[in-house]
Amino acid sequence: GAVVSQHPSWVICKSGTSVKIECRSLDFQATTMFWYRQFPKQSLMLMATSNEGSKATYEQGVEKDKFLINHASLTLSTLTVTSAHPEDSSFYICSARAGQSGNTIYFGEGSWLTVV
Amino acid sequence: AQKVTQAQTEISVVEKEDVTLDCVYETRDTTYYLFWYKQPPSGELVFLIRRNSFDEQNEISGRYSWNFQKSTSSFNFTITASQVVDSAVYFCALSEASGYSSASKIIFGSGTRLSIRP
Repeated sequence: GAVVSQHPSWVICKSGTSVKIECRSLDFQATTMFWYRQFPKQSLMLMATSNEGSKATYEQGVEKDKFLINHASLTLSTLTVTSAHPEDSSFYICSARAGQSGNTIYFGEGSWLTVV
Repeated sequence: AQKVTQAQTEISVVEKEDVTLDCVYETRDTTYYLFWYKQPPSGELVFLIRRNSFDEQNEISGRYSWNFQKSTSSFNFTITASQVVDSAVYFCALSEASGYSSASKIIFGSGTRLSIRP
């Protein structure tokens, strides 16, 4: 079946640095990918919708200059947390929509980010 | 606006008991999808079921069953004869029907933490 892979699974970075998380659809093309953030013991909150070849659509309250999203190909979307701070420590998970029709969505394994 | 409510924050039962996780949703769309996901401590989301808004048939899969009632906007999930391995956080979710827009984003409920005690 379809697989969405995220890399890295775990990352620790220093405060003030930037970190990039990749989301790849391994055996299908994804025109649309979604990025979620989940703080401990909380729900998954949609951050942005990433469309291939165009700018991402950010949810209200999400800083687009801090969370840079690039969806340059049909199989790869990246989330870059710029100037990371400890409060950005969270679980980031992506999902990819398979095809233009239907509503099949596959989730990645998630990436744990710790900012120290 | 779409919204998913899981009123039960935490549930703890003894193994072999049946347990029902409640889910109530709000949407203005006539066509939508409902989901249940399981999230073990490792974090990954395990897909359990997707239900189309036009299909109100209840579904059973092994020890799992789902009761979809449009009249009450509910999509409840029951685990029969619970096991310790069922312990996890369970999320109910809602998505509008897909199209060529940025649709299909999934909105999650707050989750129910289920603990099965041996």
